[in-house]
Amino acid sequence: EVQLVESGGGLVQPGGSLRLSCTASGFTFSDHYMDWVRQAPGKGLEWVGRSRYKANSYTTENAASVKGRFTISRDESKNSLYLQMNSLKTEDTAVYYCARGPGYYDFWSGYSFWGQGTLVTVSS
Amino acid sequence: SYELTQPPSVSVSPGQTASITCSGDKLGNNYAYWYQQKPGQSPVLVIYQDSKRPSGIPERFSGSNSGNTATLTISGTQAMDEADYYCQAWDTSTAGVFGGGTKVTVL
Repeated sequence: EVQLVESGGGLVQPGGSLRLSCTASGFTFSDHYMDWVRQAPGKGLEWVGRSRYKANSYTTENAASVKGRFTISRDESKNSLYLQMNSLKTEDTAVYYCARGPGYYDFWSGYSFWGQGTLVTVSS
Repeated sequence: SYELTQPPSVSVSPGQTASITCSGDKLGNNYAYWYQQKPGQSPVLVIYQDSKRPSGIPERFSGSNSGNTATLTISGTQAMDEADYYCQAWDTSTAGVFGGGTKVTVL
């Protein structure tokens, strides 16, 4: 059974930092893109960034709204994806989801699995 | 940047058909995806590659994509289908772009 479990959310002051984790199980972690998607309170889904699969050297890219502030990485040995968030702004307040993205053998399968989300609140 | 546009809301009577559109420049040249999200829950993939249903998704959910518009159709809508629905597309430069979401109300 595929599972994605996020952790690390909480309350942080503007300008502060936070690191989110997403632990994956039930599938070959290295064969899938892993993305972060966020949802501000009462708003829609916003793509934050991605870590491509191992065949693409786990390269990353971020949305323009977080570029230069957020960094995505993964630890294959721990089946974990991370989102390091620096210089946080009040507008970064959201539930952050990790989602399993394209697979090496099923590239067009969509975000077939999502975590439960972790809430990040940026406030003084 | 690439944008996907959805109507904010759609209302449907039980048993009737709901259609939700998603518009984007040459969207038909990319695959469209649809996600259902109920309050307090994570999104669930209901349509991928324009018209395919993941395992466990009822047959009443169908999709199409052509030109600049993708459409999610819910036939024989049930009360349990009341939710927010998001379209999503990928291309190599814009990654996971989402539409603004459509709230489906079953009256």
